[in-house]
Formats: sequence, structure tokens, C-alpha cells
Amino acid sequence: ILNVEQSPQSLHVQEGDSTNFTCSFPSSNFYALHWYRWETAKSPEALFVMTLNGDEKKKGRISATLNTKEGYSYLYIKGSQPEDSATYLCAFLGGGFKTIFGAGTRLFVKA
Amino acid sequence: GAVVSQHPSWVICKSGTSVKIECRSLDFQATTMFWYRQFPKQSLMLMATSNEGSKATYEQGVEKDKFLINHASLTLSTLTVTSAHPEDSSFYICSASQGDSYEQYFGPGTRLTVT
Repeated sequence: ILNVEQSPQSLHVQEGDSTNFTCSFPSSNFYALHWYRWETAKSPEALFVMTLNGDEKKKGRISATLNTKEGYSYLYIKGSQPEDSATYLCAFLGGGFKTIFGAGTRLFVKA
Repeated sequence: GAVVSQHPSWVICKSGTSVKIECRSLDFQATTMFWYRQFPKQSLMLMATSNEGSKATYEQGVEKDKFLINHASLTLSTLTVTSAHPEDSSFYICSASQGDSYEQYFGPGTRLTVT
């Protein structure tokens, strides 16, 4: 059974804090790793698609790294803002082209 | 671009009735659509994958006679929960991809409550 784990399950930070969360996934048959941002009552929004070991991607204050050999990805948010409050999902796409999601990290940013 | 709508956003139905959920790609042609369900504090679990004009492929453990999926056009897929029971109460969300791309675009989801 393929497992994608995200930690922590939830996180409370103050505005201005930097934060990071982890996504662990199988290290074999890797094809791609997706990060999504999911605000309540909205559609999950794609942040990054990562395919190469050592990839680093950045979008504004959010960045992500990828280690396919050890099976983990980190998502970083620099200087968190209240509007960053959301659930951050990672999804592993393996050789069978089936996407397996983690349960998400719920981020709360207090003003 | 790449907007997916889902309707209804929430529905309450009585046990034994059927409920249809629609998933539409608004500005692109969705060759493949995916249906997921999510229980509280758990991850999105893939139920089935459907390609336009062909039968859906169901994941192990998902009853195809209970969760009827129709992907009749390149912009519309429907999920019908037949003879719904309280244990079918869940959050259902669809996504769509185009061509050979593995990027998925999600709808906002449907909260189903069966009483």
C-alpha cells in the first residue's frame, strides 16, 4: 500500500512567522509530486508540480524542495500572512499514474 | 483558465434516495475526470477515473453499481450515489485533466449528508 504522509497535521503561527511542513512519499516509481493550497469552500489550487530530484520551486513567499531518493518534500512559507491560512495538500504521482494524496497540513495564521 | 465547477455544493437527502453530482470543466476540454471522496481528517481517496465516452475505472473497494459515473462529454461528468445510506455521507470532489497532462484541476466539492 502506497502511503503519503504529511506533518504536522495542523499548525498555528503568528503573522510574520516563517513556517515549513513535510510531505513523505514512496521513494520508488516516482513520477511527480504536487503541492496544492486549499482554502475552505474553494477548489484546491495547484502551487507546484515537482519532477526532478533536487528541484526547488518558488512562488512569491512560498517555496518547495524535493528529494526523491529519500522520499520527502518540504513546503516553506516565509513571513506568513493571515491569507496564507489554508490546508496544504501534497500528492504523489507514481509509475501507475495514480495520484495519492496526503491528509494535508492545516495552517492557521493569526494576525 | 482551467476552472472546474461542481454542483451542488451541498446536499441533504433521505436514506434510500439517489443523488446526482455534476462536475464541469468551464474553459477547457477534460479528457479525463477523477472522482474523490474525503472523510473527516483523512486524505482525498480516489474513487474512479473516467475518460470521455468510455466506462469509468473504479478503484478497489468502490461499488460501481452504487456510484454511477457518466462522462458523456468533454466538459461534463456526473456521479450518482444510488440508494444513499448514512455511511455515504462524505465530501465528494472531482478533478479534470486535459490531453496527456497529469495536472488536475479541481472543483470545489460537494458535501453530501444522508439522513
